Amino acid sequence: DTGVSQDPRHKITKRGQNVTFRCDPISEHNRLYWYRQTLGQGPEFLTYFQNEAQLEKSRLLSDRFSAERPKGSFSTLEIQRTEQGDSAMYLCASSRDLNTGELFFGEGSRLTVL
Amino acid sequence: AQTVTQSQPEMSVQEAETVTLSCTYDTSESDYYLFWYKQPPSRQMILVIRQEAYKQQNATENRFSVNFQKAAKSFSLKISDSQLGDAAMYFCAYRRGRNKLVFGAGTILRVKS
Repeated sequence: DTGVSQDPRHKITKRGQNVTFRCDPISEHNRLYWYRQTLGQGPEFLTYFQNEAQLEKSRLLSDRFSAERPKGSFSTLEIQRTEQGDSAMYLCASSRDLNTGELFFGEGSRLTVL
Repeated sequence: AQTVTQSQPEMSVQEAETVTLSCTYDTSESDYYLFWYKQPPSRQMILVIRQEAYKQQNATENRFSVNFQKAAKSFSLKISDSQLGDAAMYFCAYRRGRNKLVFGAGTILRVKS
């Protein structure tokens, strides 16, 4: 296993369109996290899953955002009716369910909304 | 809510010299974990070093070490013998239990040859 993979790496879309990002975590990791990172800033937490259960959502996750993790494997993050303010890097990370569990990050999906 | 503050937006160091990146955090918890992550340009974030709050001994990983001052809520990263490959954005992060990581705004480290 080569780590956390994210697809697509870069998405350019027009305002108002829907986009979906996919994250494949490390196979034995049951925790999966989504973060958003804007240029020059630290990652901001969006949501996380333990297996298929979504345990926490940030208030940053407006009703235009939805995340799923069916069967506790890969996860998708969908943004509906995109706005220019949604332009950012969307990072996925996974970890074991341990207190000391290190988060392993993917390379991110960069969204540009025109 | 927990917050993590990195007061140095950018730092520079000469190759082979030592640099220290600062981080302070705010929490009312006594048991938590602190991390430094490195994000090279256009590459994924990787863990540099981790510190458990209940451990008094400062963590070290090869050329990387931390100065953990629990009472002062300070967690600085020292990089010794800096190398060109150390150039990156460095993030300090806090985690309590199995919960999410909370990141600081980051410090850009530039290494001069």
